Amino acid sequence: GNSVTQMEGPVTLSEEAFLTINCTYTATGYPSLFWYVQYPGEGLQLLLKATKADDKGSNKGFEATYRKETTSFHLEKGSVQVSDSAVYFCALRTSGTYKYIFGTGTRLKVLA
Amino acid sequence: DTGVSQDPRHKITKRGQNVTFRCDPISEHNRLYWYRQTLGQGPEFLTYFQNEAQLEKSRLLSDRFSAERPKGSFSTLEIQRTEQGDSAMYLCASSQTENYGYTFGSGTRLTVV
Repeated sequence: GNSVTQMEGPVTLSEEAFLTINCTYTATGYPSLFWYVQYPGEGLQLLLKATKADDKGSNKGFEATYRKETTSFHLEKGSVQVSDSAVYFCALRTSGTYKYIFGTGTRLKVLA
Repeated sequence: DTGVSQDPRHKITKRGQNVTFRCDPISEHNRLYWYRQTLGQGPEFLTYFQNEAQLEKSRLLSDRFSAERPKGSFSTLEIQRTEQGDSAMYLCASSQTENYGYTFGSGTRLTVV
């Protein structure tokens, strides 16, 4: 079946460090891929998305590239801030369905 | 528009009681979704409405669960005869199109004691 696998957290970084959160997926066809972020005490927010192979989604300094050959959608940011501390969820949606399949989430802690 | 609203934010109930949650989506969104999230896990799909029609329902949604969206606006999720395993965060989301991405509410945290 379709699934999303994320690296386990927590990921702890110092401010201005480089961030990578790995996400790989298993899906039939050509899914759309998403990253959502959940800040403490808040609901999930869409961070970025990509709908076809080689697309790059970007927002707020975060980027992720849809790599079909490696079935990956890794999240990166060049210089993290304390305010980026949150839980990050990778998700996919396959064509012909309405539901999203989420990974288990990766908690990021950024220390000043 | 203030986004997707869910009510209540927290609910504590005794095992065997019925509970009902409400979701008010963004007004121009005709698609509405319910998800359930347990600690340390990602959200799991429960059901989907397009306008008032319930188009998809997960096998996770047992006979004790029912969802409605009677006028294509707000939605309710009812759980009958609650069990301790129903304790979770229940999330509602809405969207304009399938690929646009969801807007989530803050969720209703259910604790069954």
